[in-house]
Amino acid sequence: EDKVVQSPLSLVVHEGDTVTLNCSYEVTNFRSLLWYKQEKKAPTFLFMLTSSGIEKKSGRLSSILDKKELFSILNITATQTGDSAIYLCAVENNRDDKIIFGKGTRLHILP
Amino acid sequence: DVKVTQSSRYLVKRTGEKVFLECVQDMDHENMFWYRQDPGLGLRLIYFSYDVKMKEKGDIPEGYSVSREKKERFSLILESASTNQTSMYLCASTTGSYGYTFGSGTRLTVV
Repeated sequence: EDKVVQSPLSLVVHEGDTVTLNCSYEVTNFRSLLWYKQEKKAPTFLFMLTSSGIEKKSGRLSSILDKKELFSILNITATQTGDSAIYLCAVENNRDDKIIFGKGTRLHILP
Repeated sequence: DVKVTQSSRYLVKRTGEKVFLECVQDMDHENMFWYRQDPGLGLRLIYFSYDVKMKEKGDIPEGYSVSREKKERFSLILESASTNQTSMYLCASTTGSYGYTFGSGTRLTVV
């Protein structure tokens, strides 16, 4: 059965800290791994990763995929209170275009 | 800017009522999805559709049905609402090759 597991489930850090969020997966016919940020309502897209070892970067956020070990990490440096959100990891398969979501990591940044 | 629009942000319905949740996308996407999101359970797929008049059951289809009469519109129907269907409902669409675009969500309360 396809599954995506995120850790930790929740995380509280102080502003300025660096955080690493983890996502491991077991999916047949892997196509891509996706990271989303969800603040109040709908998730917003952050990254799509398809190739192993290539870092995607956007400002203070970066992510990398390891297809051999079946995991991805999302790094946030110099965290700000606006980074407080749920971060969702999802994996797409080639079989039927469905994606499987992890349960998310709830990140809270203290001022 | 691409959009997925859900018709209602908040709904309160009585047990036994028939409920329609509407979702419209303006991106000419083939694939559309309905999820529900509950604390501790993450996003769970209810139904999805790859084309007009096509529908496939997701992981938790019981108590729900869907309608896709036009490409841009995907409706979720609760035939007889129950209190355990109180949840946040998210609609999403995709071409299948570049992540998902989500609607802003409908928070449904069944009393």
